[in-house]
Amino acid sequence: DGGITQSPKYLFRKEGQNVTLSCEQNLNHDAMYWYRQDPGQGLRLIYYSQIVNDFQKGDIAEGYSVSREKKESFPLTVTSAQKNPTAFYLCASSSSASGRPYNEQFFGPGTRLTVL
Amino acid sequence: AQSVTQLDSQVPVFEEAPVELRCNYSSSVSVYLFWYVQYPNQGLQLLLKYLSGSTLVKGINGFEAEFNKSQTSFHLRKPSVHISDTAEYFCAVSGGDDKIIFGKGTRLHILP
Repeated sequence: DGGITQSPKYLFRKEGQNVTLSCEQNLNHDAMYWYRQDPGQGLRLIYYSQIVNDFQKGDIAEGYSVSREKKESFPLTVTSAQKNPTAFYLCASSSSASGRPYNEQFFGPGTRLTVL
Repeated sequence: AQSVTQLDSQVPVFEEAPVELRCNYSSSVSVYLFWYVQYPNQGLQLLLKYLSGSTLVKGINGFEAEFNKSQTSFHLRKPSVHISDTAEYFCAVSGGDDKIIFGKGTRLHILP
């Protein structure tokens, strides 16, 4: 079955540690996204990538880093510089908007990160 | 720039009653509108989308939405809700680039 996988589902880390969240898709999508979700705040875009080896900052990129070395993979690193990292993190993907007027995103199941 | 406003953060409704979740948008370009549903501790799932054509859009699980250009609205409706509809619902708008703007969500509480 085609889809998006995120691992782990739950993640705990100590303050001052970096942690990497995994996101893999087998939908052959060009674009991938990372969102952060906090209660009552909806989804906020952290980073997105429209093509391999290229990515752009979203609205809340500070304290996060990404890489896009393969089309299928878009890992997110939460660094110690992120002041309040406890949240639910969602990865999504879509076919590129190039040549089509709209963007429909498909989501993974999410990773809940808790900083102890 | 686009934006989305979901007018209610929480909506309680009795089981088997109708429900409407409200969404207003603003955009300076052609819009493409979406409703997503999120069950507890899961990712988002697409309920329905408006791209063009008929303003009444039917989605999964018996939901439908109506695009109203003059009122810049895209309200979600269901004639009879079930306990399994308990979830958070997100309205979203795409302006034709690679990004989607999401509303802050509406929690639907189904009362027995």
